[in-house]
Amino acid sequence: DSGVTQTPKHLITATGQRVTLRCSPRSGDLSVYWYQQSLDQGLQFLIQYYNGEERAKGNILERFSAQQFPDLHSELNLSSLELGDSALYFCASSVNPGTYEQYFGPGTRLTVT
Amino acid sequence: DQQVKQNSPSLSVQEGRISILNCDYTNSMFDYFLWYKKYPAEGPTFLISISSIKDKNEDGRFTVFLNKSAKHLSLHIVPSQPGDSAVYFCAASESNSNSGYALNFGKGTSLLVTP
Repeated sequence: DSGVTQTPKHLITATGQRVTLRCSPRSGDLSVYWYQQSLDQGLQFLIQYYNGEERAKGNILERFSAQQFPDLHSELNLSSLELGDSALYFCASSVNPGTYEQYFGPGTRLTVT
Repeated sequence: DQQVKQNSPSLSVQEGRISILNCDYTNSMFDYFLWYKKYPAEGPTFLISISSIKDKNEDGRFTVFLNKSAKHLSLHIVPSQPGDSAVYFCAASESNSNSGYALNFGKGTSLLVTP
């Protein structure tokens, strides 16, 4: 158990809909990362937050957004969903942005039908 | 553009033998490299890492080797055990504040250790 929790575990929704994925980092970790793992891709970095502020952006679509709240949990919002958004979404946390080792949650499997 | 490549999707090794998983990267700015292990229905778990100032790092049965000139790293598992059967991801990062130390992952190598 990494100490990172993600909810829900599974999500099935229709194209055009909007969903919110939730992540709680390990106790004491201030930095949260979101990654997407599609069927034919490795894990792709989406976005990072540190202590409530956006720190870095990767290959995140404009339809996707995220935030980190004062209690340090983070939410990833995916809107106008397309079939191609079906993937595993992982959240990871680290103590601070200068720490390379990240600890991953179990992931949320999103299926868009 | 895949900056970290794991060209072997799968590898099968007998228990007790050495497992060697390979990884290549293209970005010369990467200065820290990590290996993660992933079991089905779980998130990746950090295994071992190496800084670009080193060429070897050992942790028990796991050793990572880095060849900067070839932009290549490898993970050796000796001796391999059935419990090592998992997908192994190679990851790389650069100490650049703009990147936020985000990890660039390969697509993974599925290791099967047979009794």
